[in-house]
Amino acid sequence: DGGITQSPKYLFRKEGQNVTLSCEQNLNHDAMYWYRQDPGQGLRLIYYSQIVNDFQKGDIAEGYSVSREKKESFPLTVTSAQKNPTAFYLCASSKGTGNYGYTFGSGTRLTVV
Amino acid sequence: GENVEQHPSTLSVQEGDSAVIKCTYSDSASNYFPWYKQELGKGPQLIIDIRSNVGEKKDQRIAVTLNKTAKHFSLHITETQPEDSAVYFCAASIWTGNQFYFGTGTSLTVIP
Repeated sequence: DGGITQSPKYLFRKEGQNVTLSCEQNLNHDAMYWYRQDPGQGLRLIYYSQIVNDFQKGDIAEGYSVSREKKESFPLTVTSAQKNPTAFYLCASSKGTGNYGYTFGSGTRLTVV
Repeated sequence: GENVEQHPSTLSVQEGDSAVIKCTYSDSASNYFPWYKQELGKGPQLIIDIRSNVGEKKDQRIAVTLNKTAKHFSLHITETQPEDSAVYFCAASIWTGNQFYFGTGTSLTVIP
């Protein structure tokens, strides 16, 4: 079955460390997205990519970095520059941008310890 | 940019009753409006969507209505069941746009 897989499900980070969240899809979708979810704030866009080797900043890109070397993969690195990284991170993909519904992964909960 | 507001933030209904969640949007160019259901600890799942050339869409117990003039759209769930309990998000996007703009979510509880 096609789908989108995020790993790990839970991640703990010490202050000052970089961590990378994995996102893989086998839906043959062109576009991929990273959202951050905080209680009461809905979903906020971090980065998105419409095509391999290209990506764009979203509304809250500071302290994050991404790469899109393969169509199937869109990893997110949370750097030490992100001051408040504790959150639930969601990866999504779609056939393209605009009027195509997202398929979401099951999320990664990142906690700074 | 687009601003999507969603109400109420929490909603409790008795099993079998109907639930209505409302969203408004600010950009008249928005023309695609999906609704997502998120269960605890999971990613959101698309449950229904509507495009701006349609005023209403139904799928069994779920329906969505769109009023382009007033720039609001609503999710209607009839004959609610305990498994409908979840957080529901509305969203809006533009055909030529690069992202969805999400509402802040509604936590629905169906009381058996």
